[in-house]
This record gives sequence, C-alpha cells and structure tokens, in this order.
Amino acid sequence: SQTIHQWPATLVQPVGSPLSLECTVEGTSNPNLYWYRQAAGRGLQLLFYSVGIGQISSEVPQNLSASRPQDRQFILSSKKLLLSDSGFYLCAWSVQGDTEAFFGQGTRLTVV
Amino acid sequence: QKEVEQDPGPLSVPEGAIVSLNCTYSNSAFQYFMWYRQYSRKGPELLMYTYSSGNKEDGRFTAQVDKSSKYISLFIRDSQPSDSATYLCAMSDTGGFKTIFGAGTRLFVKA
Repeated sequence: SQTIHQWPATLVQPVGSPLSLECTVEGTSNPNLYWYRQAAGRGLQLLFYSVGIGQISSEVPQNLSASRPQDRQFILSSKKLLLSDSGFYLCAWSVQGDTEAFFGQGTRLTVV
Repeated sequence: QKEVEQDPGPLSVPEGAIVSLNCTYSNSAFQYFMWYRQYSRKGPELLMYTYSSGNKEDGRFTAQVDKSSKYISLFIRDSQPSDSATYLCAMSDTGGFKTIFGAGTRLFVKA
C-alpha cells in the first residue's frame, strides 16, 4: 500500500532563517506531488506541484521554492523565512491523471 | 467572488443527528467533486469522490452534486462524536493539479 511521510510535524523558526521540509512517498511510482499551505478559514492553497523529477510548477509567487530530486521525494525550501510564512504545510500525492489526492500529516510552521 | 464557497461553521449537532454540509462554486467547468475529512492537526483524508452530477452513498455518508445549481452537499446520517472534524469540499475540472478547496466546515457532534 502507498504511504506518505512528511516531517517534521512542528517547527519553530526565527525570521530570516532557512527552511527545509521533506516529503517522501512509498509504494507508488511517478506520482504527482504537491505542496499546499492551509491557513485558518481559507482552505488549502496550492503552492507547488510536480509531475516528475526536476519538474516544478509554482502556483503563487512567494518566498518559497520546491525541488524534486528523486521520483518520490519532494522538498519545500526557503532561504529566509518571513513572519507571513507561518502556517500549516501539507504534502500530497496523486496518481498521474487522477484528481484524488492523498495527504501527509502536515507540518505546523511558526516563524517568530 | 471565490471559486468555492463553504460556510466555516462551526456546526454543532447532537449525536444521531443528520448533518448537511454544503459548498457552492462558480466554475461550470468543474467535473470532479470531493469531500475530505480533516481531524485536528492532521492532514485531510479523502472521504467521498464524485464525477459529474448525481448522488453517491458510502455507509452513513451521501454526496450529492447539482451542477445546474453549482451546489454540492455531504450528508452524514446517525452522526457520531468520531465524526467531529473539519470537512473540506474540493473540485477540479481536470485530473490532478488544479483542485480547488473550500475553506472547510468545522463539525462538532456532541455525545
């Protein structure tokens, strides 16, 4: 069966520090991978998606970047965090061409 | 106007009640409609998936899609305290990528 791992679960970082959140998927090949941010009362906002190694599409301009160094690994990064980067970050995967997404457990990021 | 509108609640009901959760949308191209359930501090999990208009039933859960009204619903029968969670509607016009999520409705089922 397929599983998705996302870590860490919580993170407190000072303003201006770098960020690296990692997500890995097991039990499937060539998945679509996604990074979402969830803000209270605003639903899930798609940040990045990837259809293959090294292929990243950005949905919104921001202080963040994403990379996919391996087929089942997706990384969310920032060189310098802003207060506004605080939020709940979710990694997800789907089968190519499918709409159903399967989410990780999320990372609660607080920038102080 | 947001593409997807969903009342954030909270909605509080007694155990055993029938719960109705709803979303409206503006994009007539949406073809895929989903409901996710999210427990506190967890990632969302897919609950129901419907393509185009109609009803779909799975145990105590029924999803309805009315494309003419751009309105989707999730009904929960015989609600249980374990149903207490945030329910997010989601929809897409194509497979993958551009899924749009509602803000989520917080549901509390009281024992």
